[in-house]
Amino acid sequence: AAGVIQSPRHLIKEKRETATLKCYPIPRHDTVYWYQQGPGQDPQFLISFYEKMQSDKGSIPDRFSAQQFSDYHSELNMSSLELGDSALYFCASSLRTSGADTQYFGPGTRLTVL
Amino acid sequence: DAKTTQPPSMDCAEGRAANLPCNHSTISGNEYVYWYRQIHSQGPQYIIHGLKNNETNEMASLIITEDRKSSTLILPHATLRDTAVYYCIVRSTYNQGGKLIFGQGTELSVKP
Repeated sequence: AAGVIQSPRHLIKEKRETATLKCYPIPRHDTVYWYQQGPGQDPQFLISFYEKMQSDKGSIPDRFSAQQFSDYHSELNMSSLELGDSALYFCASSLRTSGADTQYFGPGTRLTVL
Repeated sequence: DAKTTQPPSMDCAEGRAANLPCNHSTISGNEYVYWYRQIHSQGPQYIIHGLKNNETNEMASLIITEDRKSSTLILPHATLRDTAVYYCIVRSTYNQGGKLIFGQGTELSVKP
C-alpha cells in the first residue's frame, strides 16, 4: 500500500538559511499533520491542514510557515534557521471523513543546522 | 500535556507476550485510545486504537478497562523487531482537530 512520502530525507543547512520540507500524503487522504522531534525528545505537533485550510496549530515558531496545495501535498517552510531547529520532521496524513481519522506517518526528514 | 501515564521501560523475552500498560484516568467519552510505536528514528507506526471495546488486529490486541481509565497493549509473541518506544495516546475524535500529543512512552526491549 502507498505510504506517506517525505522529501528530502536528509537536509543540511547553515544558520540563517531557509529550508523547505515536502510531504506527499497517502492517496485520497485529506488531512496533513507536521511534527518535530528533537534529539532525545518525543514528537511534538506543529501544524495541520484539512482540505487545504489550516486546521490546528501547535508550538510552531513564527519563522516557520506551511501550506497544503490543491493536490493535497504540503510544504513546511523554515526561515532564519537556528541550531535548535535541528531535528526530525515527520509528516502524517489521514482521511478525516473516515471516522477514527487514523494518522499514518512518513519516514521523516532529518534536518541538520550547522 | 500528555493525558497518559506509561512505565518508562520494560523488558520482554522473545516469543513471550508483551503487555504494555497505560493509565488515562482523565479520558473523556469521545476520546479514543491510540497506540503507536517508534523504532529508532523511524516514523511512528500506527498499531491499534479503540474507544470502549477491546480490539485486535494482526499486530496486537488492545484491552480497555470498563471504566476506560486504563488500557493494555498486548503483543502476543514478541520478536526482536518489536523493540521500540511504544506510545499510548488519548485523542479527540476527528471533528475536534485530532492532533497526537506524545508523552514519554514505554521503551520496550525484547531480548533473546
